[in-house]
Amino acid sequence: NAGVMQNPRHLVRRRGQEARLRCSPMKGHSHVYWYRQLPEEGLKFMVYLQKENIIDESGMPKERFSAEFPKEGPSILRIQQVVRGDSAAYFCASSQGQGHSPLHFGNGTRLTVT
Amino acid sequence: KQEVTQIPAALSVPEGENLVLNCSFTDSAIYNLQWFRQDPGKGLTSLLLIQSSQREQTSGRLNASLDKSSGRSTLYIAASQPGDSATYLCAVRPQGGSEKLVFGKGTKLTVNP
Repeated sequence: NAGVMQNPRHLVRRRGQEARLRCSPMKGHSHVYWYRQLPEEGLKFMVYLQKENIIDESGMPKERFSAEFPKEGPSILRIQQVVRGDSAAYFCASSQGQGHSPLHFGNGTRLTVT
Repeated sequence: KQEVTQIPAALSVPEGENLVLNCSFTDSAIYNLQWFRQDPGKGLTSLLLIQSSQREQTSGRLNASLDKSSGRSTLYIAASQPGDSATYLCAVRPQGGSEKLVFGKGTKLTVNP
């Protein structure tokens, strides 16, 4: 299966812990996007990355959140010192980066902060 | 600021009925519009992508139209089936080089057998 792979599917963290979410894009895709879906809300853009570069992080909270897409390995969304309000579904998407190509989404990571 | 609205928020229909889901956006300067399907606890599946220069796209029983000047898109589902039950999301990609999509909150569709 060459789809977008996210892990873990479910993640439970206590307040103050760190959460690391991983995303492997579709084969041949070099553009990765992270979105967050809060309960009863639409998906909100967080960050857009290409290999080793953050292109647009205008949707990322200024503190505690960071993202990377290294030359080798998956993209990582990292949330430090999690709070209950961080509980949400985090979706990763990838594309070929050409304007006419659709985004393909993973199944998401559901983060629960207790 | 681009905003996307989907009406209705929820829709319940009997099997076999043809139906229309609506999506409106406030800024007509878009690059493309994409319809997705989301099943409970799952990710998003891309259904149709319409470029700003196009008027419609079709895939099987699905047909999506785009009227950029009025800021509207519709997703038409013919001969609905229980397996079509899901949340349908509309998303626009603004012009200006931004890769990010702006999503509506979705329409939750239930097709009753």
